[in-house]
Amino acid sequence: QQPVQSPQAVILREGEDAVINCSSSKALYSVHWYRQKHGEAPVFLMILLKGGEQKGHEKISASFNEKKQQSSLYLTASQLSYSGTYFCGTETSGGSYIPTFGRGTSLIVHP
Amino acid sequence: EAQVTQNPRYLITVTGKKLTVTCSQNMNHEYMSWYRQDPGLGLRQIYYSMNVEVTDKGDVPEGYKVSRKEKRNFPLILESPSPNQTSLYFCASSLSTLNNEQFFGPGTRLTVL
Repeated sequence: QQPVQSPQAVILREGEDAVINCSSSKALYSVHWYRQKHGEAPVFLMILLKGGEQKGHEKISASFNEKKQQSSLYLTASQLSYSGTYFCGTETSGGSYIPTFGRGTSLIVHP
Repeated sequence: EAQVTQNPRYLITVTGKKLTVTCSQNMNHEYMSWYRQDPGLGLRQIYYSMNVEVTDKGDVPEGYKVSRKEKRNFPLILESPSPNQTSLYFCASSLSTLNNEQFFGPGTRLTVL
């Protein structure tokens, strides 16, 4: 079952912050985050394992709330290069170890 | 260069004409999978493989077949394509259960008329 991402789309100006959420109806083992530029393949950003871990990648970080079965991706001081579609992928306990992806969040950063 | 390759990159075909999309990885990854991407629906998993000769259905397997005879290759077969299989297809691979960052191929855009 696909995780639910919100919002569906975000439009920002350079330097603004954004948060993308990902929630699941099942207990999660891990959460993946990927970014896809138009016409390209998705590219890995980070994986978070259960335990409330927070990770960072440049000015992009994420948290994982195991109890709420949710993860959030934080984009700080957005740059033009952050534009793209962001996907979360979730693994459930006892699953296949291959993530199930959400529908994506389109992020547009304007100058 | 470590990569996942897919062929063809673009394909236009007609209903009912069998086709195969190849996927190959040179990273000695155990896990491989196929996704289709449609506007507004995200990436949906078609089939996955955890090792040679071990495959399993994902969320949308109807109308597709796969095989994993060698570790590096994971072809996607459409025995009788239909217009609703028009989509962008991605193959992905990952090393293991402990390190399962997904490496995606460049994608194959398939149109079935």
